[in-house]
Amino acid sequence: GESVGLHLPTLSVQEGDNSIINCAYSNSASDYFIWYKQESGKGPQFIIDIRSNMDKRQGQRVTVLLNKTVKHLSLQIAATQPGDSAVYFCAENSGGYQKVTFGTGTKLQVIP
Amino acid sequence: NAGVTQTPKFQVLKTGQSMTLQCAQDMNHEYMSWYRQDPGMGLRLIHYSVGAGITDQGEVPNGYNVSRSTTEDFPLRLLSAAPSQTSVYFCASSSDFPGTANTEAFFGQGTRLTVV
Repeated sequence: GESVGLHLPTLSVQEGDNSIINCAYSNSASDYFIWYKQESGKGPQFIIDIRSNMDKRQGQRVTVLLNKTVKHLSLQIAATQPGDSAVYFCAENSGGYQKVTFGTGTKLQVIP
Repeated sequence: NAGVTQTPKFQVLKTGQSMTLQCAQDMNHEYMSWYRQDPGMGLRLIHYSVGAGITDQGEVPNGYNVSRSTTEDFPLRLLSAAPSQTSVYFCASSSDFPGTANTEAFFGQGTRLTVV
C-alpha cells in the first residue's frame, strides 16, 4: 500500500456531506499558503492557495479559510464525492524555495 | 501535455549502488525542484534550480547531486545509496518561485526507491 498514508489522521465523511480539513502552521512570517491533494500512488496536486492579506478564498467546491491570529488554515470541500478520497496537506511559504514548509497531511475517506 | 514525467516509477538498489532519477517537463518552466516524502513527514526539499545551469541546495541535500543542462531536464543522482535514502521522490516544476501570485507547482508521479 501507499506508505505515505501511514500514521496520518483520518477524516471519514459520508458522500454528499461537507468536509473540513484543518492545518496549523508554525511560522507567523508565512504569507502564502497552499492546499494540495495527493491520491494514492500519485504526486501532489494543487487545489487552492491564499495570501495572508485574505481570510477566505473560494474555488470550485472548495473554500480555504485563514486565521492568522491562531495560525490556522482550513479546507472546506462541499458535497464530498468518492473522487475526493485522498491525502490533503497544506504548505506555508515565507518567501522562496527554502522557506516552504509542508504539512504531513490528513487522509480523507469518503463513504459511499 | 505530459506535464512532469519521472522515471523510473519504482527502483530497488543495494547499499552503495549509484543511480539517476530522471525528471523532465514540457511546460518550459524555469523553476524545478526535487523533494522526498517519508512516512509521518511533510515533503522535504532536496535541491532546486531556477534555470538552466543554476542549482542550489535545499533542506536535505546530503547524498544527492543535481545538474540542469537544459530547461526541460533536472536529474537527481544518488552517488552511493544508503538505506536512509529509502523514500518516495517527487520532482516539481513551476513558472516562478513558490509563493509568487498565480504560480502553481506541478508534480510528477513520483519514484519509489528502496535501498536494501
